[in-house]
Amino acid sequence: EVQLVESGGGLVQPGGSVRLSCAASGFTFSHYFMHWVRQPPGKGPVWVSRLNSDGSSTSYADSVKGRFTISRDNAKNTLFLQMDSLRVEDTAVYYCVRATGAMHRIFVDWGQGTLVTVSS
Amino acid sequence: EIVLTQSPGTLSLSPGERATLSCRASHSVSSNYLAWYQQKPGQAPRLLIYDASSRAAGIPDRFSGSGSGTDFTLTIRRLEPEDFAVYYCQQYGSSPLTFGGGTKVEI
Repeated sequence: EVQLVESGGGLVQPGGSVRLSCAASGFTFSHYFMHWVRQPPGKGPVWVSRLNSDGSSTSYADSVKGRFTISRDNAKNTLFLQMDSLRVEDTAVYYCVRATGAMHRIFVDWGQGTLVTVSS
Repeated sequence: EIVLTQSPGTLSLSPGERATLSCRASHSVSSNYLAWYQQKPGQAPRLLIYDASSRAAGIPDRFSGSGSGTDFTLTIRRLEPEDFAVYYCQQYGSSPLTFGGGTKVEI
């Protein structure tokens, strides 16, 4: 059974930093592209970032480019999202997502999410 | 960026009825790379349909997807009580990947 368990969320001040982790199990982590998707309270999901299977290629939404960094440790089956220079509008539940299919963009498995609240 | 507009915003139906949800794209979706997700309160989205019309593993056949280009439809043939939820479409044919604003299916 595929499991994705996010951690690291919480309350952070504007301008602050937080690092999210996602522990993966139930599949061969190193074979899959992984994504982060966020969902602001009461709104729809928004794609944030993508990382290829060996960690050599990244992609970011314009809204987070230069502030967020996605990475992975395939030896520990863990995905990360380093979030710096946080803004109030970054407040959301952050989901770790396993992707398959066309261009590794079909979101087949989601974690339960971790809430990041940016507020003073 | 491809903007996805879902309609209606809310669909009020009864169990056993048919639900038809629309997703319209601002530009043609490459290779009809469009997915549908279901989300219940407090849960993560769940993949229902990908490539516009292919059902994901374990999804009942009362769910079906259709459409191409800029107009897509999710149909739920006979609503079961567990189908009352919010549904999102998502395109993955071009970057950035984008989601629609959602349709809430309520009793």
